[in-house]
Amino acid sequence: DTEVTQTPKHLVMGMTNKKSLKCEQHMGHRAMYWYKQKAKKPPELMFVYSYEKLSINESVPSRFSPECPNSSLLNLHLHALQPEDSALYLCASSQDPRGEKLFFGSGTQLSVL
Amino acid sequence: GQSLEQPSEVTAVEGAIVQINCTYQTSGFYGLSWYQQHDGGAPTFLSYNALDGLEETGRFSSFLSRSDSYGYLLLQELQMKDSASYFCAVRDHGYGQNFVFGPGTRLSVLP
Repeated sequence: DTEVTQTPKHLVMGMTNKKSLKCEQHMGHRAMYWYKQKAKKPPELMFVYSYEKLSINESVPSRFSPECPNSSLLNLHLHALQPEDSALYLCASSQDPRGEKLFFGSGTQLSVL
Repeated sequence: GQSLEQPSEVTAVEGAIVQINCTYQTSGFYGLSWYQQHDGGAPTFLSYNALDGLEETGRFSSFLSRSDSYGYLLLQELQMKDSASYFCAVRDHGYGQNFVFGPGTRLSVLP
């Protein structure tokens, strides 16, 4: 299994909603990442979990809250988002924090109304 | 801080060879990667160079010169399916040893 699985693929939410994005990998990878990607822009790093501990938070607003329940799962909890938060949210994993290769999930396309 | 530069767009015809350049500035360089992303898809890994020189994988090759802070992706025998965005990414000590992505190059392959 060399896949990173993300759900849902699409999400539309209002500014007062609470929702969660989910990510799962069964490759035994020990580093997992959340990236945000706007149209025609590169992925931007949001959070890094290394051995299930949050190791970096790139000054992301608190309306985004990550969670790593175990080494295979990564969640991103969303609350009180703004329309400018509409983007493709990508989960990725690597064998370890210095792994050469990032494996990306297919992403969640989020629209905030 | 980090900064990467790539051409924004490249156009070529089927069967041709195209080179996509990437120059970078980092606080502490570990390696340079290349990713391909089709519209609506996820980035997929193409190559990683930590040392100077050329790495070849099928129709794609990647080159790195650490002294020049420069690398390129070479695509040979272009096919229509190669139309996509290509991102270079550097693993940077000053970025928590994480990857920072370049702005991307949109490659269009014409028949």
